[in-house]
Amino acid sequence: SQTIHQWPATLVQPVGSPLSLECTVEGTSNPNLYWYRQAAGRGLQLLFYSIGIDQISSEVPQNLSASRPQDRQFILSSKKLLLSDSGFYLCAWSGQTYEQYFGPGTRLTVT
Amino acid sequence: AQSVSQHNHHVILSEAASLELGCNYSYGGTVNLFWYVQYPGQHLQLLLKYFSGDPLVKGIKGFEAEFIKSKFSFNLRKPSVQWSDTAEYFCAVNGPRYGNKLVFGAGTILRVKS
Repeated sequence: SQTIHQWPATLVQPVGSPLSLECTVEGTSNPNLYWYRQAAGRGLQLLFYSIGIDQISSEVPQNLSASRPQDRQFILSSKKLLLSDSGFYLCAWSGQTYEQYFGPGTRLTVT
Repeated sequence: AQSVSQHNHHVILSEAASLELGCNYSYGGTVNLFWYVQYPGQHLQLLLKYFSGDPLVKGIKGFEAEFIKSKFSFNLRKPSVQWSDTAEYFCAVNGPRYGNKLVFGAGTILRVKS
């Protein structure tokens, strides 16, 4: 069966520091991968999606970037964090069908 | 802009009460519809989905949803809620007119009083 992992689960970082959040999927090949940010009362905002290695689309101009160095690995990064980057970040994958499956998320607090 | 509207942000019910959570989407045509649930401290899980066929779909834990194309709606229902249904519920839509991306509503927080 397929599983999706995210780490770290929680992170506290100072303003101006770099960020790297990792997501890996097991049990499937060539998944579509997604990064979302979840804000209370605002649902999920799609940040990036990827249909293959080095094929990444950005949905929202911002301080973040994404990379997919391997088929089942998706990384969310920032060179310099802003206070507004605080939030709950979710990774998801989908296969041949349309439903997406979500990881446990990372709670990021920028201080 | 593409949007998904969930009518109530907070709902409080007593156990055994019936539940209906509204969801409307902005664009018609071919759509795939989903309800996700996030229980306290847990990750987002798929509750049910509609792709085609019977517009009344049944999901896990006694939930069902009805797709009404003419009303652009996909409301979630449960005849009798339990305390364990306390969670946040998200409606989501994708399809060609949504760029084949999953667009989420803002979520509805359901609290069931025991």
